[in-house]
Amino acid sequence: QKEVEQDPGPLSVPEGAIVSLNCTYSNSAFQYFMWYRQYSRKGPELLMYTYSSGNKEDGRFTAQVDKSSKYISLFIRDSQPSDSATYLCAMSSPNTGNQFYFGTGTSLTVIP
Amino acid sequence: DAGITQSPRHKVTETGTPVTLRCHQTENHRYMYWYRQDPGHGLRLIHYSYGVKDTDKGEVSDGYSVSRSKTEDFLLTLESATSSQTSVYFCAISESHRDTYEQYFGPGTRLTVT
Repeated sequence: QKEVEQDPGPLSVPEGAIVSLNCTYSNSAFQYFMWYRQYSRKGPELLMYTYSSGNKEDGRFTAQVDKSSKYISLFIRDSQPSDSATYLCAMSSPNTGNQFYFGTGTSLTVIP
Repeated sequence: DAGITQSPRHKVTETGTPVTLRCHQTENHRYMYWYRQDPGHGLRLIHYSYGVKDTDKGEVSDGYSVSRSKTEDFLLTLESATSSQTSVYFCAISESHRDTYEQYFGPGTRLTVT
């Protein structure tokens, strides 16, 4: 079983839709949860960062962590064509030797 | 890209030749990482460093070696390149504080082994 599971998609939505991206994980020691956005042929860029549980909002983006279910989500409101990218979740813990564990990424296309 | 550069950005090499990729940071971060990214596998950790001359293996370290002689530079060497090492290689950096544990990525090196 992989440490982090993520549905690869692809996901295609109309402009203005609410997008929900999700990851599940198996290691209950994870405390740091990140979402990255990666445009084609570019490096991943950090989008959202959450420590421990709860929600975090940044503009049109909301990250949620449910540690009891080992489940994290990223919501994108009022999606735009510029949001078309691959979204990767990542997580880590001081107990995992400074290693970060990544999902395989979900490909999102927002259609104008 | 958070003050991270990678060189070269593209390379084509032949099977059996040695290849060295360079990662350079200007952020003075303690931790540096090398990943490879392949379709269906996502990002997989090759090696990482937690200080000058301090390195450790990641998930897919076979066939790769690393060196870090200065805080700002982290080198990845393929001693004898194979076609299975054709991939996109990303360097990342991070700094660890009590509640901050983020990683920042470089632009990537696209390596083709023929």
